[in-house]
Amino acid sequence: EVQLVESGGGLVQPGRSLRLSCTASGFTFGDYAMSWFRQAPGKGLEWVGFIRSKAYGGTTEYAASVKGRFTISRDDSKSIAYLQMNSLKTEDTAVYYCTRVDGGWYSDYWGQGTLVTVSS
Amino acid sequence: QSVLTQPPSVSGAPGQRVTISCTGSSSNIGAGYDVHWYQQLPGTAPKLLIYGNSNRPSGVPDRFSGSKSGTSASLAITGLQAEDEADYYCQSYDSSLSLVFGGGTKLTVL
Repeated sequence: EVQLVESGGGLVQPGRSLRLSCTASGFTFGDYAMSWFRQAPGKGLEWVGFIRSKAYGGTTEYAASVKGRFTISRDDSKSIAYLQMNSLKTEDTAVYYCTRVDGGWYSDYWGQGTLVTVSS
Repeated sequence: QSVLTQPPSVSGAPGQRVTISCTGSSSNIGAGYDVHWYQQLPGTAPKLLIYGNSNRPSGVPDRFSGSKSGTSASLAITGLQAEDEADYYCQSYDSSLSLVFGGGTKLTVL
């Protein structure tokens, strides 16, 4: 059974950093791209970024709203994807979801989400 | 402002058929990229509902169907049930190397 479990969320002050983890199980992690999405309270889904599998260079792409502040990485030996968030802003407050990305660029499995609150 | 455009809300009575539209542009749907749909029940994570324009993952009832034409796509739900009340999102890939979403459509079952 495919499972994705996010962790690392919490309350953080504006300007500070936070790192989220996504621990995967039930599939060969290294074979898939992984993506992060977020959903601000009462709002719709927003794509944050993704990291390709090593077979495709392990490269990353980001939404304009987070480019230069957020970094996605992966540790295939541990089946974990990370989202490093720096220079956090109040508008980054959201539930963050990690997903497995199929080759057709859709997310076939989602984690339960972790809440990040940016507030002083 | 979402890249893909969806109606904010739709509604229908039990047993009826409803459709949700998703309009993009020449850099995403119109460029030939597939459209995918997600269902988000209240208080839960999104779930893949339709992938590759019209394919249903295992376990999704055949009451749900998807189609795509030109720069638009549609999700149809037939035989509406109370449990279908949820938010629905369309998603595609954009030539800017990004994933793009619609703003979401809230389905109310009357």
